[in-house]
Amino acid sequence: DSGVTQTPKHLITATGQRVTLRCSPRSGDLSVYWYQQSLDQGLQFLIQYYNGEERAKGNILERFSAQQFPDLHSELNLSSLELGDSALYFCASSVVGSGPQETQYFGPGTRLLVL
Amino acid sequence: LAKTTQPISMDSYEGQEVNITCSHNNIATNDYITWYQQFPSQGPRFIIQGYKTKVTNEVASLFIPADRKSSTLSLPRVSLSDTAVYYCLVASGMDSSYKLIFGSGTRLLVRP
Repeated sequence: DSGVTQTPKHLITATGQRVTLRCSPRSGDLSVYWYQQSLDQGLQFLIQYYNGEERAKGNILERFSAQQFPDLHSELNLSSLELGDSALYFCASSVVGSGPQETQYFGPGTRLLVL
Repeated sequence: LAKTTQPISMDSYEGQEVNITCSHNNIATNDYITWYQQFPSQGPRFIIQGYKTKVTNEVASLFIPADRKSSTLSLPRVSLSDTAVYYCLVASGMDSSYKLIFGSGTRLLVRP
């Protein structure tokens, strides 16, 4: 158990809909990362937040957005969903997230299925 | 920007040493290399991290040659429970320039 929690575990929705995925980092970690893992794209870094502020952006679509709240939990919002958005979405956390040597701890993931 | 390449799959037997190599030809001076292990329906789990030469911990060793264009994860005496997907990650930059590039993963099957 990494100490990172994600809810829900599974989510089934329809195209065009909007969903929110939630992540609570390990106690004491200030930085949260979001990843998408699909069969054909592997693990793709989406976005990083540090202490409530966006810090780095990866391959995040404009239809997707995230935020980190004062209690450090984070939400990833996915809107206008398409079939291709079906994937596993992972959240990870690290202590600070200020450099490439930081170890990330991953949550168990949310499996999203768009029908 | 570093692009990473790994073998798609590898087979081994219990008790053998397994070496998985990741190529990252465009690695930059300050980039770090990290390896993660992932079991089905679980998030990746940190195994080991290095910058250059050799790093060893209680579960693995990481070898990085002087040119740093590749890295090799070494798992000594694998067991059935080491069957998993192994990813290398090249992390570079800081703050807004932070880039995280995962390899496509190597599926390791350990046979009895």
